[in-house]
Amino acid sequence: AQTVTQSQPEMSVQEAETVTLSCTYDTSESDYYLFWYKQPPSRQMILVIRQEAYKQQNATENRFSVNFQKAAKSFSLKISDSQLGDAAMYFCAYRSTNFGNEKLTFGTGTRLTIIP
Amino acid sequence: GAVVSQHPSRVICKSGTSVKIECRSLDFQATTMFWYRQFPKKSLMLMATSNEGSKATYEQGVEKDKFLINHASLTLSTLTVTSAHPEDSSFYICSARGGNSGRADTQYFGPGTRLTVL
Repeated sequence: AQTVTQSQPEMSVQEAETVTLSCTYDTSESDYYLFWYKQPPSRQMILVIRQEAYKQQNATENRFSVNFQKAAKSFSLKISDSQLGDAAMYFCAYRSTNFGNEKLTFGTGTRLTIIP
Repeated sequence: GAVVSQHPSRVICKSGTSVKIECRSLDFQATTMFWYRQFPKKSLMLMATSNEGSKATYEQGVEKDKFLINHASLTLSTLTVTSAHPEDSSFYICSARGGNSGRADTQYFGPGTRLTVL
């Protein structure tokens, strides 16, 4: 079974600065998907970024980028130019590519606080 | 694209009654929908996976007779909490797999339903 570990329960960053959230996972599969979701106080889960394991290039979405290290099974999220609206709970998630096993395995989350 | 709605957003009911929560994919067809439960300050716990036109697959420890799931169309899945009790009070979230731009491998989430059982 796959596991996802987020070792930072809480993080804080000054507005406009850069912060990196850590995520490691364990799997015996060679192909899979990794995701970062954010959950603001509204509790709506919002997709931040997605990475396919077979792609070596790190995914980027505007101010959000990942550092995907497949051999190390690491998938960190970097938020540049942090904004107040980035304050949320961030969840790292794993999904197998195997047909019939589409469920997401979530980490325990990292609560990000933005300091004005 | 890839918008998922849930209704109602909040519901309060008396112990022993049944509550139905709807999950709709608004701009795409969702062959698979998922139901999660989230306790305060915790991660999401998958309850069941629902495929259109077939029976839901429940996770271990989830009572299928208590949490009835129906996925009658490609845009609608419902979760019915039967004979609700205070311990069923929680935040329930659905997600749907699919979307535009070939993102069929990504789950998109609804805004959640807060259930309070008195």
